Order: sequence, then structure tokens, then C-alpha cells
Amino acid sequence: AQTVTQSQPEMSVQEAETVTLSCTYDTSESNYYLFWYKQPPSRQMILVIRQEAYKQQNATENRFSVNFQKAAKSFSLKISDSQLGDTAMYFCAFTLLYNQGGKLIFGQGTELSVKP
Amino acid sequence: DTAVSQTPKYLVTQMGNDKSIKCEQNLGHDTMYWYKQDSKKFLKIMFSYNNKELIINETVPNRFSPKSPDKAHLNLHINSLELGDSAVYFCASSPGPRGTETQYFGPGTRLLVL
Repeated sequence: AQTVTQSQPEMSVQEAETVTLSCTYDTSESNYYLFWYKQPPSRQMILVIRQEAYKQQNATENRFSVNFQKAAKSFSLKISDSQLGDTAMYFCAFTLLYNQGGKLIFGQGTELSVKP
Repeated sequence: DTAVSQTPKYLVTQMGNDKSIKCEQNLGHDTMYWYKQDSKKFLKIMFSYNNKELIINETVPNRFSPKSPDKAHLNLHINSLELGDSAVYFCASSPGPRGTETQYFGPGTRLLVL
């Protein structure tokens, strides 16, 4: 069975600084995808970034980038130049490429506060 | 235009009642999902449908019955509501059921059982 672990329940960062959220996962499969979703106070789940396991290059989306370490089964999210609007719950998620019906497995979440 | 919509957004009801939550997507996707987010904000999949067929039933009590009348709709009916059913329920959709497909979430329905 696959599991996803986020060991930081809460984090805070000053506006304009950089913060890194940790995520580790466990699987015996080699073909999978990893995601970071953001859930602001509005409750809406928003995709931040995704990473294909077969790609060695780390994904980036503007101020958001990941550090994907496949051997270590680690998938951290770096937010640069933090903004007040980044305040949210962040979820790491995992899905197998095949035969899972698209099932996403989520970590426990990290609540990020960006302070002015 | 709302891509994935859910009604109602809030639902307060008494234990033992039966209630339904509706979900609609206008993205033309083939696959739809129900997730449950508990009071600790942990998200877990409940069901997945592809082209109106059930493909995942994640050991959910049979008081929960999803119904997909067509590809654009996936409703969730809950019988004999219990206190432990209080949660936020999210509907999501994706082009297909493979891991390559990004899932798009609805705004959630907060259910409170008293």
C-alpha cells in the first residue's frame, strides 16, 4: 500500500521569504505522479504543481518548485518570495500511473501562514 | 463558468436523516470522484466513476450510495446519517482515470450532523 507523510503540521514564513514544505511517500511501484495541492481558507482545492516520477528534472511553476528525490522517496515544495495569498493548507498527494482508477492518496497537510 | 460545482455548499441535519449532495462538471471529463475531508483535514477518496461506471469503492459504509446518471454528474446519497459523517465532501473530475490526468475539485460541501 502507498502512504504519504507530511511531518510538518504547521509552518510560518515572513512575506517575501522562502519556505520549504516536506513530503515523503512510500511505494514499491516505479510509475507514479506526485502533486502539491493548496487549500486556502475558501476551502477550494487548487493544484499547485505536479511531477512525473519518470522525469528527473524538478517541476517548477513560477514561484513554486519541487525537489524530487526518487531514491529517497522525498518530494518537497519550495515557495519563493512568499505572498500573503500563499497562506493555506498544503497537501502532498500521490497516484499510480496505472490501474488505480485515478485514486489520489493525500498526506496529512501542512498549514502555512505567511506573515506580513 | 464553474468547472466543478456542488450543491449544497452547507448542509446541517439531524442524525438518522437521509441527504444527498449533487455534483456537476462542465469540463467534458470522463471520470468523477468523491473525497471526504474529516475534522483533522485529512482527505480520503470514497468513490471513483469512469463513464458512469464505478471503478473505486474505498470500503465506504453502504449507507453511502453514489449515483452517476451521466458522465457530467455524480451524486452522493447518504442514508441514516451518523455524527461521524460530519465532514467536508469534495467532488472532483479528471479527463480519465489514469494517474496522468489532473483532478479538478469542486468547492466542497460541509455536512454537519447534529
